[in-house]
Order: sequence, then structure tokens, then C-alpha cells
Amino acid sequence: GDSVTQMEGPVTLSEEAFLTINCTYTATGYPSLFWYVQYPGEGLQLLLKATKADDKGSNKGFEATYRKETTSFHLEKGSVQVSDSAVYFCALPTDSWGKLQFGAGTQVVVTP
Amino acid sequence: DGGITQSPKYLFRKEGQNVTLSCEQNLNHDAMYWYRQDPGQGLRLIYYSQIVNDFQKGDIAEGYSVSREKKESFPLTVTSAQKNPTAFYLCAAKADRTTEAFFGQGTRLTVV
Repeated sequence: GDSVTQMEGPVTLSEEAFLTINCTYTATGYPSLFWYVQYPGEGLQLLLKATKADDKGSNKGFEATYRKETTSFHLEKGSVQVSDSAVYFCALPTDSWGKLQFGAGTQVVVTP
Repeated sequence: DGGITQSPKYLFRKEGQNVTLSCEQNLNHDAMYWYRQDPGQGLRLIYYSQIVNDFQKGDIAEGYSVSREKKESFPLTVTSAQKNPTAFYLCAAKADRTTEAFFGQGTRLTVV
């Protein structure tokens, strides 16, 4: 079945450092791909998405490119802030009903 | 303010009691979902509904029940049959012909 694998955390960075969170997937066909972010004690917010191969999703300085050849959707940000401390989830829909398969989540901690 | 409202934010339940978590949306989205989140894990699907008066079991439906009497409401009941109910519960909604789901702020259920 469809699956998502993302790098384990926690990832600890200093402010203004470069962030990469790896995400790879297994899926039938070419589904949309998502990154969601969860701040402490809150629900999930859609951070960015890509709907087809080679698409680049971007939002709030974060970017991710849909790589069909490597089945990857790595999240990057060039200069993180303390406010980026959160858990990040990679996800894909597993069918036309919109059920989502999530990775285990990667906790990011940014220190001043 | 458009969105998904979950209540209460925190809920305590004694063992052997049923408890109902509320999820209301004013986005006019057709599909609604309940996910469970445990520490260090991704989200797992409990139940989902595409239309009023219809719903399907997800991956971990045992010990849970739902109803969908109105388009905007999708309450989840955690029954006494659920062996380990302490978790963070997230409700989501998705518009028809789109791929991304939007989430509420979650309800943290603790069995005491």
C-alpha cells in the first residue's frame, strides 16, 4: 500500500540555519503531496502542496519539489526562525476519497 | 470566521465511560475525517464520511463510533470498548474535487 517515510527527529538547529527534512513515498500513480505543520498543542496546518511531478510548492519561506524519479518531496528552508519550531508531517492521499497517509512526523527545534 | 471547530480542547474521562468529541465546520466541505495522534507517531484514520448519513471505517475504527446527520457536523464517540483511548484527536474536512484536507485544533482526551 501507499506509504510515507520521513527522517526522524528531533532536528535541532540554530536560528538562521538551513533546514532540510527528507520525505520519500511509495504510491500507485502520481498523487498530490503535502507538508503539514503542527505547532505545540495545536492541530495541523497545511504548509504547502504539489500536485504533479516537478511542481514546487512554497509558503512562508519553505519549499518542496515533487521528484518523481526519486519519489521524494523534501522540505527546505534557507534560514529558520525560532517560530519555525514545530512538528512537520509529509502526507499523501491514498485514494479518491481523500484519506491521507502520514509520515511519523519530524520535530524541529530552533534555538536562538 | 471560516474553519473547523473541535470541542472541547481538553477532555477527561473515567474508565468505562463513553465520551463524545464534537467537530463542526462552516466550510461547506463534503468530506470529513477523524484521525488519532499518539506521541511520536503519525496520524491514523478512525472514520471518514463523504456525504450526510454515510460513513466508513478507517484503519483503527474499533472502539469508536460516528454519525453524520448534518453536513457541518461529524461527532466522534469514544466508547468503553476502546482499550487505549488516551490520545490527541483531530478532525478534518475536504472539499469535493480537491486534494487537501483542513484540520481543526484537536481534542486531547485523557482517561483517568
